[in-house]
Amino acid sequence: KQEVTQIPAALSVPEGENLVLNCSFTDSAIYNLQWFRQDPGKGLTSLLLIQSSQREQTSGRLNASLDKSSGRSTLYIAASQPGDSATYLCAVNNAGNMLTFGGGTRLMVKP
Amino acid sequence: DAGVTQSPTHLIKTRGQQVTLRCSPKSGHDTVSWYQQALGQGPQFIFQYYEEEERQRGNFPDRFSGHQFPNYSSELNVNALLLGDSALYLCASRNWKDRGLFPYYGYTFGSGTRLTVV
Repeated sequence: KQEVTQIPAALSVPEGENLVLNCSFTDSAIYNLQWFRQDPGKGLTSLLLIQSSQREQTSGRLNASLDKSSGRSTLYIAASQPGDSATYLCAVNNAGNMLTFGGGTRLMVKP
Repeated sequence: DAGVTQSPTHLIKTRGQQVTLRCSPKSGHDTVSWYQQALGQGPQFIFQYYEEEERQRGNFPDRFSGHQFPNYSSELNVNALLLGDSALYLCASRNWKDRGLFPYYGYTFGSGTRLTVV
């Protein structure tokens, strides 16, 4: 059974800092991994999708890496802004029909 | 092009009642999944529908049932509601991405239905 863990559970940083969010998973036989953003009480917005054959994906100030062999992914946010404050969720797809989510990292970026 | 739409946005029900939540996938998406997200936790997979059949089910009791219609829209039904069923219910549709010889897919989520059981 796939298990996904995200560390840290919460993070508070001053504006402008570069930061790294971590995601680890127990079953490395994944199809792909997706990072989502969730604002309070809202749905999920897809940020980045990394296929199992890829090492990283970039979108603007966001960069996600994937190391299947060690069961890890990181989401790097450059030059953080108050608007980045949200919960970030990592979800693993094992090529079945379901995503397995981590518990999320709650990020607060202070002006 | 509308994304994944869910209705209603909020709902309050009494213990023991039944509830139906609705989802319309993004245009061109034929597969719908449902997730339950308790406060402060990551979403948990309930089930997925494709070609009007349940294809996979997570660890949820039979009180949770669903349906998919020929236009790919879907319903989630929960019977005999418990206080613990209070959560944000999310619908997702599978989004195939064509990259030539190696297509792959991700998931697009709706804004969710907040269910409160009192």
